[in-house]
Amino acid sequence: GAVVSQHPSRVICKSGTSVKIECRSLDFQATTMFWYRQFPKQSLMLMATSNEGSKATYEQGVEKDKFLINHASLTLSTLTVTSAHPEDSSFYICSATGPFWGNTIYFGEGSWLTVV
Amino acid sequence: AQTVTQSQPEMSVQEAETVTLSCTYDTSENNYYLFWYKQPPSRQMILVIRQEAYKQQNATENRFSVNFQKAAKSFSLKISDSQLGDTAMYFCAFIRGSGGGADGLTFGKGTHLIIQP
Repeated sequence: GAVVSQHPSRVICKSGTSVKIECRSLDFQATTMFWYRQFPKQSLMLMATSNEGSKATYEQGVEKDKFLINHASLTLSTLTVTSAHPEDSSFYICSATGPFWGNTIYFGEGSWLTVV
Repeated sequence: AQTVTQSQPEMSVQEAETVTLSCTYDTSENNYYLFWYKQPPSRQMILVIRQEAYKQQNATENRFSVNFQKAAKSFSLKISDSQLGDTAMYFCAFIRGSGGGADGLTFGKGTHLIIQP
């Protein structure tokens, strides 16, 4: 069964509003979580890395103020897209590793965001 | 920084045939892991196979095997007896071993594999 759960799987929001996507590790402590963005027919691009209890590290070119990432507990990380615009519409997917990662990386099911 | 290159945007083969997807990478690291992920239309990322760089033996998982050439920095995926359910995007990915999993995966651009009936 899934060990990383993402919610919601699909969300539609109006331009200018904010939307939150959750990523939960179900049966392990996710010390590190990653957020990726995937445009249609393209690869996954790492947006940011979050460690529990500390600020997220963003990749170059990713707007920190637009994509707020919080990793307040060992089982939950959230991505908030603030003041969303149509160009933010995309597929967002999280992944997680634990303290004894054993080269195992678990992915969530992904979330489709459509900004209208 | 690491780069992963998949030079085949799309491939199409007949069911039951064998197909090889290519992947090359560039890194200065000596300790790393390589992965092949399958992404079907559902978009769920499914781990197909992984290879530790320190292992000389090529990884195999049932119909899936890799040809890992460390010196050439090549990591190809062979799918034997291909099935309709193998139709998907396939991504090659890299991660540093020394990072303890704290680095994100670096993905190639992907290969769209189509299995024809």
